[in-house]
Amino acid sequence: EAQVTQNPRYLITVTGKKLTVTCSQNMNHEYMSWYRQDPGLGLRQIYYSMNVEVTDKGDVPEGYKVSRKEKRNFPLILESPSPNQTSLYFCASSPGQRYYEQYFGPGTRLTVT
Amino acid sequence: ILNVEQSPQSLHVQEGDSTNFTCSFPSSNFYALHWYRWETAKSPEALFVMTLNGDEKKKGRISATLNTKEGYSYLYIKGSQPEDSATYLCALISGGYQKVTFGTGTKLQVIP
Repeated sequence: EAQVTQNPRYLITVTGKKLTVTCSQNMNHEYMSWYRQDPGLGLRQIYYSMNVEVTDKGDVPEGYKVSRKEKRNFPLILESPSPNQTSLYFCASSPGQRYYEQYFGPGTRLTVT
Repeated sequence: ILNVEQSPQSLHVQEGDSTNFTCSFPSSNFYALHWYRWETAKSPEALFVMTLNGDEKKKGRISATLNTKEGYSYLYIKGSQPEDSATYLCALISGGYQKVTFGTGTKLQVIP
């Protein structure tokens, strides 16, 4: 089944404890992206990647890192999480960008205390 | 940060009513516009990808139009059903086809 998977789905952590949210897609998509969703603000792009080893900042990259060492995986790293990073996170992938829709993962609910 | 606006923020309609929403965006930054449907506790799912001025797309009772010169897109739902209840998002593709800016969405509730 073609899908985007994210792990973990739910995470409660403490300020400053490094964490990684994994994202994997099995559709051989070149484009992958991370978003956060906050009430009243909609989905905001954190980072995106056009292909392996090619990443760039979205609108809200502060406090996050990403890497794209393999085509299928695009992990989101929070080196020192803070309470303002409490949010719902979505990973998405697409064959390209302009002409193709994105396929979203199930989301990761992160709480930082 | 680009400003993509959707209106109204929320909408309650009776089953069987037709409705429409608006997505406004800066026309100078346009490469493509996507529409997504987002049901509560699920992930957004694509409805339409629109790339050309004057584009019209249709899927069942849902259709969309695009005006890139004036910077807006309309989504129409004909004969709303309770299962149409969801948040409808538009997303502007800009920055050389790479950057994605979502609107805050229109939350539709269809009352049986």
